[in-house]
Amino acid sequence: GAVVSQHPSRVICKSGTSVKIECRSLDFQATTMFWYRQFPKQSLMLMATSNEGSKATYEQGVEKDKFLINHASLTLSTLTVTSAHPEDSSFYICSARWSMNTEAFFGQGTRLTVV
Amino acid sequence: QKEVEQDPGPLSVPEGAIVSLNCTYSNSAFQYFMWYRQYSRKGPELLMYTYSSGNKEDGRFTAQVDKSSKYISLFIRDSQPSDSATYLCAMSAYTGFQKLVFGTGTRLLVSP
Repeated sequence: GAVVSQHPSRVICKSGTSVKIECRSLDFQATTMFWYRQFPKQSLMLMATSNEGSKATYEQGVEKDKFLINHASLTLSTLTVTSAHPEDSSFYICSARWSMNTEAFFGQGTRLTVV
Repeated sequence: QKEVEQDPGPLSVPEGAIVSLNCTYSNSAFQYFMWYRQYSRKGPELLMYTYSSGNKEDGRFTAQVDKSSKYISLFIRDSQPSDSATYLCAMSAYTGFQKLVFGTGTRLLVSP
């Protein structure tokens, strides 16, 4: 299958700072990327859908000004958690697909801890 | 009530056993059903993809969807220790892997 790489795999940041998570498609052009969040003992929850060159579409309840998503190229999308707080500590994972009719491949996820 | 319910396990079985993993859901609009396998520190990997009701078989894996009961299953035959992982069900009302709704995942342990 296609490879999606997420970086970093773990990050610890101080409350009030911002942290950026990268999602790269290594061997295909990702026209669409999806960002998910998973709290302990809960399921993966879709945060937003990002199409290359367009503004991301956020799911209900997800603050777009807090979770900034950029998908400026066909191989890279970034999620920036701004003014992070301890309640933002979670597992963030992206997936990417190259067309409407193809599978979306997942990255390995990023464990964010805000202290 | 969650849209998708999945027993978190863990489910422990001996090598060679038949494993049955299940999810129930409440949204009758769901048309696309998926099973993912996730190893520790890795992203989910698509195992099975099914549209609407019916069965689909791929090697040792069989996926079943019963839309009338809002119930989906994944069967693993001749389970192997390498099958030890977390299995996630996911579903959507949309094509193209959009707006996936996941279960919490079932942790499976296959002992030699």
